[in-house]
Amino acid sequence: EAGVAQSPRYKIIEKRQSVAFWCNPISGHATLYWYQQILGQGPKLLIQFQNNGVVDDSQLPKDRFSAERLKGVDSTLKIQPAKLEDSAVYLCASSLTLYSGNTIYFGEGSWLTVV
Amino acid sequence: AQSVSQHNHHVILSEAASLELGCNYSYGGTVNLFWYVQYPGQHLQLLLKYFSGDPLVKGIKGFEAEFIKSKFSFNLRKPSVQWSDTAEYFCAVNGEGGGNKLTFGTGTQLKVEL
Repeated sequence: EAGVAQSPRYKIIEKRQSVAFWCNPISGHATLYWYQQILGQGPKLLIQFQNNGVVDDSQLPKDRFSAERLKGVDSTLKIQPAKLEDSAVYLCASSLTLYSGNTIYFGEGSWLTVV
Repeated sequence: AQSVSQHNHHVILSEAASLELGCNYSYGGTVNLFWYVQYPGQHLQLLLKYFSGDPLVKGIKGFEAEFIKSKFSFNLRKPSVQWSDTAEYFCAVNGEGGGNKLTFGTGTQLKVEL
């Protein structure tokens, strides 16, 4: 079974520039998540989708971060303009449904460095 | 808000030593508890999980964890570690607000020396 795919794997940008990350979840998974993992910390949930609808975006800094999952499959996370503190690994994950018994599967992450 | 504390940030063990990694959570309601592992260069993988029933949970690769509700703890154990267990280990909880949203601890970096 194919896992969660993410791209690009690595990105270096200057502050105030923009960046976009793409995620393709496991086939058939209705729930998609974006997590932010800053060095030395555990992953923090940014946004959760169920199909093409947002379930929870309470921790997404909406002045600079946006995410969409227009057709309920792939998702894009955008940062504009980037700040130094946005340097982190952005993890995409998916699960079959919102049910808490469903295992959440993670991608390898997109590493962002803002200079 | 629910939170997770992992007390050991870095652990170094020799092969065949026993392992115990601490995890405490703060949430008074019903919780589901997880341990994830991230091997060098790989993605986060589920090691084991607790939902209900027997508080002693067995996972992959000989790992186990015990849920002690009175102590709000879910410690990870392995009787004899191997060099290949070198990885970062994350404890996580979901429960507050429902919806299968994980709150992670800060992780424990385990290094196993030959």
